[in-house]
Amino acid sequence: DQQVKQNSPSLSVQEGRISILNCDYTNSMFDYFLWYKKYPAEGPTFLISISSIKDKNEDGRFTVFLNKSAKHLSLHIVPSQPGDSAVYFCAAHSYNQGGKLIFGQGTELSVKP
Amino acid sequence: DAGVIQSPRHEVTEMGQEVTLRCKPISGHNSLFWYRQTMMRGLELLIYFNNNVPIDDSGMPEDRFSAKMPNASFSTLKIQPSEPRDSAVYFCASSLQGYEQYFGPGTRLTVT
Repeated sequence: DQQVKQNSPSLSVQEGRISILNCDYTNSMFDYFLWYKKYPAEGPTFLISISSIKDKNEDGRFTVFLNKSAKHLSLHIVPSQPGDSAVYFCAAHSYNQGGKLIFGQGTELSVKP
Repeated sequence: DAGVIQSPRHEVTEMGQEVTLRCKPISGHNSLFWYRQTMMRGLELLIYFNNNVPIDDSGMPEDRFSAKMPNASFSTLKIQPSEPRDSAVYFCASSLQGYEQYFGPGTRLTVT
């Protein structure tokens, strides 16, 4: 039972263009969503988050959009840079599941020069 | 701060051997999480502790896996006996009563 899904295992984008990473969830009790970025041989690092009471949060080149009715969130990276090449994980937080994070499978982003 | 520290970074062992992974959380953090990352299942939560007490171990795959947190600055994940299907990267993460978790660099386990 996957509560958080990232249906695209990989994405390739040209440098300077927009990268859009998508995430779907099934549990309407999730109250907070996070995006993590992971480079090879390193642990995931926190990137950006959004509360379920908001629909957008922006931090520099990174913007996360939340559509609660569709149970969908997306991460936009504009403009994309080669250093953004990494695996991106979507995660959801729910107090009714003990406050743990539920992670998606990850999407590997490749930004080509 | 040094961040979350995990040891060893790499472990190669033979099937049937005992494996112990170690984690030192960020000082002051009160929650600790153990994850396993595989190609098939992605990043899955194995167990987590709050104030050194195990809260949810529903992700522990079977009785061969056990985890302890004897104090606020140390935790272990033990696999006994190990099997080839346990080969994965194991991450430890810690947090301070918040949503954000801080991950260690991981331990790459290979069981032959």
